Amino acid sequence: EIVMTQSPATLSVSPGERATLSCRASQSVSSNLAWYQQKPGQAPRLLIYGASTRATGIPARFSGGGSGTEFTLTISSLQSEDFAVYYCQQYNNWPPWTFGQGTKVEIK
Amino acid sequence: EVQLLESGGGLVQPGGSLRLSCAASGFTFNKYAMRWVRQAPGKGLEWVSAISGSGGTTHYADSVKGRFTISRDNAKNTLYLQMNSLRVEDTAVYYCAKDPVEVWGLLGFYSDYWGQGTQVTVSS
Repeated sequence: EIVMTQSPATLSVSPGERATLSCRASQSVSSNLAWYQQKPGQAPRLLIYGASTRATGIPARFSGGGSGTEFTLTISSLQSEDFAVYYCQQYNNWPPWTFGQGTKVEIK
Repeated sequence: EVQLLESGGGLVQPGGSLRLSCAASGFTFNKYAMRWVRQAPGKGLEWVSAISGSGGTTHYADSVKGRFTISRDNAKNTLYLQMNSLRVEDTAVYYCAKDPVEVWGLLGFYSDYWGQGTQVTVSS
């Protein structure tokens, strides 16, 4: 089973600033990685798949990068609606499909 | 517009059973694989089970294998999760989610749409 590790657990950022979230896989997952956003009391929403492809309707301020075992999600200029928990998920070696433990982006 | 609406959650005693349903609309249901993902209180996301578009292929997390059964009725556009021998650690919000493909190949894919979830609480 591939273990996904996200860092940091919590990221404090001011509105308008850049946020960079990290996700590491215990072995290579190539570019088969997705990012989800989850706001309190809501379902997860797909942001990025294929490590860097934005899902339908996702603003350009969200960008994904990396391959192999190291990945990043960057939010170029944080808006109020971006404060949420973000999860990465690998789909290269399955089952099981595995998620990271999440990074909470909070207002500084 | 894709819509997924879960139902069937509730409070059940350890050892009991529940059947969750997920009513789908806005897409050709039998053309897409589906899955269940759960989230324990204050915790992250955990994949539970998945089923191909035809229903012919299913997968389960080790934590639920032998206790949970995923199925679908393509005529009713509905996904199910039969949960037996429930444990306290099964307490979670259960989400149904749609994959962007009918069946997985080398890649397992991700979920492009999610329902709002249904709460399952296992407690005596």
